Amino acid sequence: NAGVTQTPKFQVLKTGQSMTLQCAQDMNHNSMYWYRQDPGMGLRLIYYSASEGTTDKGEVPNGYNVSRLNKREFSLRLESAAPSQTSVYFCASNPSGRVTEAFFGQGTRLTVV
Amino acid sequence: SQQGEEDPQALSIQEGENATMNCSYKTSINNLQWYRQNSGRGLVHLILIRSNEREKHSGRLRVTLDTSKKSSSLLITASRAADTASYFCATARSGGYNKLIFGAGTRLAVHP
Repeated sequence: NAGVTQTPKFQVLKTGQSMTLQCAQDMNHNSMYWYRQDPGMGLRLIYYSASEGTTDKGEVPNGYNVSRLNKREFSLRLESAAPSQTSVYFCASNPSGRVTEAFFGQGTRLTVV
Repeated sequence: SQQGEEDPQALSIQEGENATMNCSYKTSINNLQWYRQNSGRGLVHLILIRSNEREKHSGRLRVTLDTSKKSSSLLITASRAADTASYFCATARSGGYNKLIFGAGTRLAVHP
């Protein structure tokens, strides 16, 4: 099984450009998450989707939008990238109903210049 | 602010020694989880302890939870160079939501 797959793995954007980070999971999980990790720091929750058709803001949602396209896919969009959004972005998923372990993708390293 | 805060921020030990990392949190939780992250990689789940449990073991890992103090500790016994990584605690708050909130992590270096 592939688990959680993120694309792309690396991206460089110019300030003001837009892009969408893609995430897909093949574990039939209901809940999906987007986190960002800045150097030397932990993960901060951007948005999450408890189930297909629902999304909610996390700790740092400003500057981002999300789409839960279907049960498998959860995308993160930067409409107008800023240097402060330079970070490593992780997508994760876990079953709903009971909170259990989360499974993470390998991350997208984004640089905004 | 983040739910979980780990200390120390960094820990350097020799192979064979034990490593202890602590995590404090602020609100009522459903469970607390520990994750490991090797440099530049995604996080990998290590162990989950529920709010009604006080101690849990998994191989060389021992986790304790004190809900009265809102704190947890992760003990890695007989550490190996391969244990070098960052370790994060994550809390799932009470109330039915699935979201996990992470702390800033402890960077562990185990020297041969």
